[in-house]
Amino acid sequence: GNSVTQMEGPVTLSEEAFLTINCTYTATGYPSLFWYVQYPGEGLQLLLKATKADDKGSNKGFEATYRKETTSFHLEKGSVQVSDSAVYFCALRHNYGQNFVFGPGTRLSVLP
Amino acid sequence: ETGVTQSPTHLIKTRGQQVTLRCSSQSGHNTVSWYQQALGQGPQFIFQYYREEENGRGNFPPRFSGLQFPNYSSELNVNALELDDSALYLCASSNPLRGSSYEQYFGPGTRLTVT
Repeated sequence: GNSVTQMEGPVTLSEEAFLTINCTYTATGYPSLFWYVQYPGEGLQLLLKATKADDKGSNKGFEATYRKETTSFHLEKGSVQVSDSAVYFCALRHNYGQNFVFGPGTRLSVLP
Repeated sequence: ETGVTQSPTHLIKTRGQQVTLRCSSQSGHNTVSWYQQALGQGPQFIFQYYREEENGRGNFPPRFSGLQFPNYSSELNVNALELDDSALYLCASSNPLRGSSYEQYFGPGTRLTVT
């Protein structure tokens, strides 16, 4: 079946540090890949997406590249801010499917 | 904000009871999906409604049921509540015919506690 695996948290970084959150997936065919972010007390917000191999999604300084050969979609940011503290979810969805398959989430805390 | 609203924000129920959660989709969105997010886990797909019909279901028992109304708002009903039903319930709306079919806009969720 389809599944998403993320690096375990929590991840604690100092402001302006480099961020990497690893994500790998198992799926048949060629799913689209997503990163969602959940701030405390809120629902999920789409951060970025990539719909085919070698695509790079980017938003608000975050980037992730769809790597079909390694079935990965790692999230990176060059310089994190305190306001980036949240839970980050990697997810996949097939073009013909109705639903997202989410990873377990990675909690990020950025200290000033 | 996404324009997706959910009610109530929190509620507490007793094992064996029934609960109804509500979701108002973003204007122009005709598809609503429901997810269950247990503490410390990612959301799990429950089901999706499109034009008032169930359009896909995850691995949840029949005591989880839903409705979608002509204005595209939706309800999630859970019968015979169990302790493991305690979770954040998220609804997400989309419109496959408008823009990207992959965009789902999530509401803030309803926190259900079963005691």
